[in-house]
Amino acid sequence: GIQVEQSPPDLILQEGANSTLRCNFSDSVNNLQWFHQNPWGQLINLFYIPSGTKQNGRLSATTVATERYSLLYISSSQTTDSGVYFCAGTNSGTYKYIFGTGTRLKVLA
Amino acid sequence: DAEITQSPRHKITETGRQVTLACHQTWNHNNMFWYRQDLGHGLRLIHYSYGVHDTNKGEVSDGYSVSRSNTEDLPLTLESAASSQTSVYFCASGGGLNTEAFFGQGTRLTVV
Repeated sequence: GIQVEQSPPDLILQEGANSTLRCNFSDSVNNLQWFHQNPWGQLINLFYIPSGTKQNGRLSATTVATERYSLLYISSSQTTDSGVYFCAGTNSGTYKYIFGTGTRLKVLA
Repeated sequence: DAEITQSPRHKITETGRQVTLACHQTWNHNNMFWYRQDLGHGLRLIHYSYGVHDTNKGEVSDGYSVSRSNTEDLPLTLESAASSQTSVYFCASGGGLNTEAFFGQGTRLTVV
């Protein structure tokens, strides 16, 4: 099965700073999503982005499917952005989501 | 609004007992999944289903079973609970062709 690597594993930011999170896949993926796990443990959908670029407020994501990576950009970070960010994808021929180990983000006031 | 719900949200059970965690979705998705989340391991796939009467093993399926008798529900059963099964369990639905997946709120299970 595919392997999913996320970087960095941990990130501490001052409120207002920008950041880029990266997700690399060992093989091509069909579905690719970014999730935010908030401090209460809920997994919140951020982007469904198998290719291209999407933006939602201060967050945007870009997936370059041919090079098997995706980036999540957080601009003007806020304390409420704290939590763990996961990317996940499904391998060709299956719909099983394989998750990366996440990036733990802490935004300081 | 369509949703996916898990119950119970928290459960404490004793070693050796049978436990069933419920998952119900109103998205009308064919695909449903169960994951467990543990420190240091991220989310790992336990079982999944691509439709009614279809079930498949994931990477950590030992000690777990599922059944799919309708589109909306995929209950997860721990046949004989073990302390190693103490974890947070997430159910998901969707993730088909060009379809995003959605997760339930999670069930925190403690086996004592």
